[in-house]
Amino acid sequence: AQSVTQLGSHVSVSEGALVLLRCNYSSSVPPYLFWYVQYPNQGLQLLLKYTTGATLVKGINGFEAEFKKSETSFHLTKPSAHMSDAAEYFCAVSDGGFKTIFGAGTRLFVKA
Amino acid sequence: SAVISQKPSRDICQRGTSLTIQCQVDSQVTMMFWYRQQPGQSLTLIATANQGSEATYESGFVIDKFPISRPNLTFSTLTVSNMSPEDSSIYLCSVDGDFSTDTQYFGPGTRLTVL
Repeated sequence: AQSVTQLGSHVSVSEGALVLLRCNYSSSVPPYLFWYVQYPNQGLQLLLKYTTGATLVKGINGFEAEFKKSETSFHLTKPSAHMSDAAEYFCAVSDGGFKTIFGAGTRLFVKA
Repeated sequence: SAVISQKPSRDICQRGTSLTIQCQVDSQVTMMFWYRQQPGQSLTLIATANQGSEATYESGFVIDKFPISRPNLTFSTLTVSNMSPEDSSIYLCSVDGDFSTDTQYFGPGTRLTVL
């Protein structure tokens, strides 16, 4: 069975600082991995995804994530936080058939 | 990516009533999904709706409570029946974006409050 664990329900960073949101997963088969972002009062927007190939995946808005099979991790990073990055971030895993499991979410706060 | 709209965007309903949520996509899609996001929580899949067949419900969700229609390849509805305050949630529609990678695209959601 698949599962997703996001470490930290809330993360606070200063504007310009590194953003690191942690995600660990479990899957019995090579997974598809996703990061979605949810801005207040909006639906989910796909940030990036890993399917196969290059383990470092670049997404929109300067975010990237690295698939580390040995650590079963897919952490999301951004070198320099912007105020507009404040949102809820969801890590998700799927092993095919659109049976996608979402993590509990991490709310990112960005301080001026 | 597909552009998805939902109606209503939010509603406040009385206990015991029903609400139908509409999901419209700007292109034909095979699969449409309905999720529930309870306050402060993650997404839980309610059901998958394919055109021309009965919706497939996940464990814990039943058709009598959440009837779903999928009359064509661009539209679906979810009804929340006989509502109670516990049904207060955001209901999200999503569609298949890429079958080879399980990519989904989401609508803006319907924020439901039941009094």
